[in-house]
Amino acid sequence: QKEVEQDPGPLSVPEGAIVSLNCTYSNSAFQYFMWYRQYSRKGPELLMYTYSSGNKEDGRFTAQVDKSSKYISLFIRDSQPSDSATYLCASRDSGSARQLTFGSGTQLTVLP
Amino acid sequence: DVKVTQSSRYLVKRTGEKVFLECVQDMDHENMFWYRQDPGLGLRLIYFSYDVKMKEKGDIPEGYSVSREKKERFSLILESASTNQTSMYLCASSSRAQPQHFGDGTRLSIL
Repeated sequence: QKEVEQDPGPLSVPEGAIVSLNCTYSNSAFQYFMWYRQYSRKGPELLMYTYSSGNKEDGRFTAQVDKSSKYISLFIRDSQPSDSATYLCASRDSGSARQLTFGSGTQLTVLP
Repeated sequence: DVKVTQSSRYLVKRTGEKVFLECVQDMDHENMFWYRQDPGLGLRLIYFSYDVKMKEKGDIPEGYSVSREKKERFSLILESASTNQTSMYLCASSSRAQPQHFGDGTRLSIL
């Protein structure tokens, strides 16, 4: 079993829809959680960075962590065609400042 | 903004060649990383370095080596390239416990 599981999709939604992207993890020591966005033929770009449980909002994006169920979510409101990309979740524990464990990515297409 | 620059976007090499992939960051970051990214397998860590001349193996170091002679530069070396090393290679850097920032990758094809 992989430490971070992510549904690969693909996921297609109409423009303006609310998108929910999810990951589960198995390592109870994970304390830091990230979402990266990766456009085709580009490197991953950091989108959201959260510590422990709770919500963090940045514009149209909300990251949510539920440590009791080991569930990580990214919500995108009013989705745009420019949001079409692969979204990667990543986690690490507090002791390992260097290594991240990544999900395999979810490919999202927002249709105009 | 953090800038991580990988020297080549696309590279084609032949089996058995020694291949060098270069990465430079401009933010004085202590940590640097090399990953490969393959469809269905996600990002897998090859090697990382937390200081000049220091290196640690990641999850898939076999067939690779690294060099970090200067803080801003981290090189990945394929000692004798093989076709199963055809992949997208991503370099990242970070400062202490901060998130990693990635370059745009090198798409390497081994023929």
